[in-house]
Amino acid sequence: DVKVTQSSRYLVKRTGEKVFLECVQDMDHENMFWYRQDPGLGLRLIYFSYDVKMKEKGDIPEGYSVSREKKERFSLILESASTNQTSMYLCASSYNTEAFFGQGTRLTVV
Amino acid sequence: GEDVEQSLFLSVREGDSSVINCTYTDSSSTYLYWYKQEPGAGLQLLTYIFSNMDMKQDQRLTVLLNKKDKHLSLRIADTQTGDSAIYFCAESIRSNYQLIWGAGTKLIIKP
Repeated sequence: DVKVTQSSRYLVKRTGEKVFLECVQDMDHENMFWYRQDPGLGLRLIYFSYDVKMKEKGDIPEGYSVSREKKERFSLILESASTNQTSMYLCASSYNTEAFFGQGTRLTVV
Repeated sequence: GEDVEQSLFLSVREGDSSVINCTYTDSSSTYLYWYKQEPGAGLQLLTYIFSNMDMKQDQRLTVLLNKKDKHLSLRIADTQTGDSAIYFCAESIRSNYQLIWGAGTKLIIKP
């Protein structure tokens, strides 16, 4: 069974803090993704990576950065958290036709 | 640009069939997907259809694809309370690793 694990289910951070969301997959997938999910907006792609140290901006990269130093780990970084980044964050990995998702991190910025 | 649209809610009675609809704009789609998200959980792949097919059946699930109208539907026969979830339609158009997502349809089951 493919497993995608996100480090936290729930996080509460203060405005201006630097926030790290970690994601690890155990199936040697090349492609990894970070999405945010907001009611009525579906999933919006923030960044994706198709190889170690490779990254591409998705549809809403502003205010975020990513790091992929090892194949199994893809980190999302909020450089200076703001209240409009309160959301559910979903990590996914894929090899070909199927994407596998983590359980999500619900981030609240106060 | 690419767009995937689906209605936000669908309400059906337990035991009836549910039909969730999705429209997409990019005719170069290679695969179209249905994902299910149960409350408090991540997304799970439910089924997918290759763009050169027009129907796929898997137990209680039937996927219909109308390429001419760019319309995809998911039919769930004999809907059960365990089918309560948000159902996302998605299409892949670039090398199969980037997906374009709909907003999700919340399926509500009435007793």
